[in-house]
Amino acid sequence: QKEVEQNSGPLSVPEGAIASLNCTYSDRGSQSFFWYRQYSGKSPELIMFIYSNGDKEDGRFTAQLNKASQYVSLLIRDSQPSDSATYLCAVKGGNYGGSQGNLIFGKGTKLSVKP
Amino acid sequence: GAGVSQSPRYKVAKRGQDVALRCDPISGHVSLFWYQQALGQGPEFLTYFQNEAQLDKSGLPSDRFFAERPEGSVSTLKIQRTQQEDSAVYLCASSSYRDSGYTFGSGTRLTVV
Repeated sequence: QKEVEQNSGPLSVPEGAIASLNCTYSDRGSQSFFWYRQYSGKSPELIMFIYSNGDKEDGRFTAQLNKASQYVSLLIRDSQPSDSATYLCAVKGGNYGGSQGNLIFGKGTKLSVKP
Repeated sequence: GAGVSQSPRYKVAKRGQDVALRCDPISGHVSLFWYQQALGQGPEFLTYFQNEAQLDKSGLPSDRFFAERPEGSVSTLKIQRTQQEDSAVYLCASSSYRDSGYTFGSGTRLTVV
């Protein structure tokens, strides 16, 4: 079982809609959770991080964390074509393969926002 | 510098050739990480430095891979006797301390032919 799971997509939403991106992780000891955006041919760019259960909002982005369900999500409100990218979920902490504290990434979900 | 700088941006190597990839982290960042990203995959952890100390190299795929950061700033990832399966984007990231988000460099795209 992969340690950080994401649906690879593509997820297609119309402009102005809410895009919902989901991620599950296997290690209950995980402490912190990150969402990165990666445009094609570019490097990952940090969008948000969340440490505590609940919601964290930053502009059009909301990260949601449920540690009991080992689930983290990213909501993008009023989606724009410029949001079209691959979104990477990353998890830190716990004991993934003995490497505590390093970011473990999912494969990413490709989001396409149609004008 | 203002960001994490990696060079070269692209590298084509013949199979069996040795390569060296350079990473210049954000000034003052203590932690430095190397990741490998294959096409369509998420970044995979290779190794981690805190200052000049290599604290974790569990992700290095074979003994052909070697990384160093002798003065606690610039780091070099060296791959000896490159193989086709080494073709990937190699990403360097730095952070001011370990328990924070990373800033990635632009990466080096290595193609082994």
